[in-house]
Amino acid sequence: AQSVSQHNHHVILSEAASLELGCNYSYGGTVNLFWYVQYPGQHLQLLLKYFSGDPLVKGIKGFEAEFIKSKFSFNLRKPSVQWSDTAEYFCAVSSSNDYKLSFGAGTTVTVRA
Amino acid sequence: SQTIHQWPATLVQPVGSPLSLECTVEGTSNPNLYWYRQAAGRGLQLLFYSVGIGQISSEVPQNLSASRPQDRQFILSSKKLLLSDSGFYLCAWSPNHYEQYFGPGTRLTVT
Repeated sequence: AQSVSQHNHHVILSEAASLELGCNYSYGGTVNLFWYVQYPGQHLQLLLKYFSGDPLVKGIKGFEAEFIKSKFSFNLRKPSVQWSDTAEYFCAVSSSNDYKLSFGAGTTVTVRA
Repeated sequence: SQTIHQWPATLVQPVGSPLSLECTVEGTSNPNLYWYRQAAGRGLQLLFYSVGIGQISSEVPQNLSASRPQDRQFILSSKKLLLSDSGFYLCAWSPNHYEQYFGPGTRLTVT
């Protein structure tokens, strides 16, 4: 199984600030990459996904992520956060021949109004 | 559209008691099904997955077992709960071996 590292455990920022959450994985082959979000009191939801093609992926709610194969990274970004982006964010990876997802430990994002 | 249900939402059980958590999926057929445990600060740990009725793969040897008696039903069980079984249990389904969609979870407290 792959290992997935999320660099920040807790990020605190103000509204309108830019957000970038780091994600690195260990697998050297072809991968599928995901970001999930869990808002307070809600289900874990799929934010965006990458299978192939354009390495810059657009997701819901203004989020995007960039796959950099040479760096084994899939960082999540949002140019201007809102208070409603307060949530826990999880990076997840599966290899192309194995449908088991490996999750990072998660990053808690707190946006202050 | 597809929906996934889990029950109960919360459960408090004494050590040594049995466990049965249920997960059902609506609006799809032959889904891949998964059980995860979510621990604070440690992400999600895959416990079991199933690609069809009666087909169960275990990822982590432990006190738990899983069964899939029907196409869209996935059950997590234990004969005797341990304190260390406390946690948040998530069921997920996937249509295609790729993205997974999660249920609301069950908070289990073993006392």
